[in-house]
Amino acid sequence: DSGVTQTPKHLITATGQRVTLRCSPRSGDLSVYWYQQSLDQGLQFLIQYYNGEERAKGNILERFSAQQFPDLHSELNLSSLELGDSALYFCASSEYGGGGNTIYFGEGSWLTVV
Amino acid sequence: GIQVEQSPPDLILQEGANSTLRCNFSDSVNNLQWFHQNPWGQLINLFYIPSGTKQNGRLSATTVATERYSLLYISSSQTTDSGVYFCAAGGQAGTALIFGKGTTLSVSS
Repeated sequence: DSGVTQTPKHLITATGQRVTLRCSPRSGDLSVYWYQQSLDQGLQFLIQYYNGEERAKGNILERFSAQQFPDLHSELNLSSLELGDSALYFCASSEYGGGGNTIYFGEGSWLTVV
Repeated sequence: GIQVEQSPPDLILQEGANSTLRCNFSDSVNNLQWFHQNPWGQLINLFYIPSGTKQNGRLSATTVATERYSLLYISSSQTTDSGVYFCAAGGQAGTALIFGKGTTLSVSS
């Protein structure tokens, strides 16, 4: 158990819908990362937050948004869902926002868009 | 940004065999991690190793930062070692980990 908690574990929804994925980082970790893993794109970095502020942005679509709340949990919002958004979404956390520290991954949220 | 390449893409072993997985990265790093993704999709941290050598049981890893590569050694492989092994590298402070495409390992009894 990495200490990073993600909910829900599985989610099936229809095209055009909106979903929210939730992440609680390890106790004491200030930085949260979101990744998407799909068969054709591999593991792609989406976005990073550090202590409530956006720190880095990767290949995140405009239909997707995220935030980190004062209690440090984070939510990833996916809207106007398309079939191609079906993927495993990982949240990860680390103690600091910069490099040089271990990043721990949650078990992921499996999203299926039908 | 950093490019991460892993080889080989696939590896098939008999139980008890040893193997070496390689990760090349295109720029200097301050974070280099190896992960094992099991058949249930979980990403398990194996090593945090931006430089030097570490060992954990049958697994060990070496990163030669000046030559921009890292190696993961698996000795006396077991069927439970099957899965995908990812190398991920992070560059300057504030950047997230960039993943390679992984090495898919299949160990048969």
